[in-house]
Amino acid sequence: QVQLVQSGVEVRKPGASVKVSCKPSGYTFSSYGISWVRQAPGQGLEWMGWISAYNGNTKYAQNFQGRVTLTRDTSTSTAYLDLRSLRSDDTAVYFCVRDKNYVFDIWGQGSMVTVSS
Amino acid sequence: QSALTQPASVSGSPGQSITISCTGTSSDIGGYKYVSWYQQHPGKAPKLMIYEVSNRPSGVSNRFSGSKSGNTASLTISGLQAEDEADYYCMSYTTSTTRVFGTGTKVTVL
Repeated sequence: QVQLVQSGVEVRKPGASVKVSCKPSGYTFSSYGISWVRQAPGQGLEWMGWISAYNGNTKYAQNFQGRVTLTRDTSTSTAYLDLRSLRSDDTAVYFCVRDKNYVFDIWGQGSMVTVSS
Repeated sequence: QSALTQPASVSGSPGQSITISCTGTSSDIGGYKYVSWYQQHPGKAPKLMIYEVSNRPSGVSNRFSGSKSGNTASLTISGLQAEDEADYYCMSYTTSTTRVFGTGTKVTVL
């Protein structure tokens, strides 16, 4: 069964950083990229960036350039999202998703990140 | 990259057909076949319903169909059922090699 399992709930203060993990299973990790998508409460989906699980190449949405870093660890077959300088409007559910030639076919369960003082 | 434009809401009675539009530009929808649609029920992760404009993944009902004309893509749900009530998002690949979602459409079954 192909699935992506994400890390749990995170609570941070404004200005802090958060790192969310995503561990795929059921397929060869390096065969597909991983995109990250977030959804603020009551809002729509927002694409944040993509990483190639094969060679680590990345592409970021302009809105997040300089504040987000996507990495992957091939030894543990895990992808990571690192978001810095958190603000209250970063409060959202963060999803990792298998990016199969620009098609998001498998979604993680989501990780809730709350930013509050 | 601005979000693709979708109607905020669409409604229909059981058994009817509805169509959701998704308007972009020649830099995204108009330029590529990589348009996909996602269904999201409250509190759940989105689910892929259509990919590459008009292809259905295995397991998705054939009541869902997709098309594209110029810079506008469309999702049609025929034989509307109560379980189709959800939010729907389009997504496209772009010339910047990024991806962009639509603003989302809430489908209500009357």
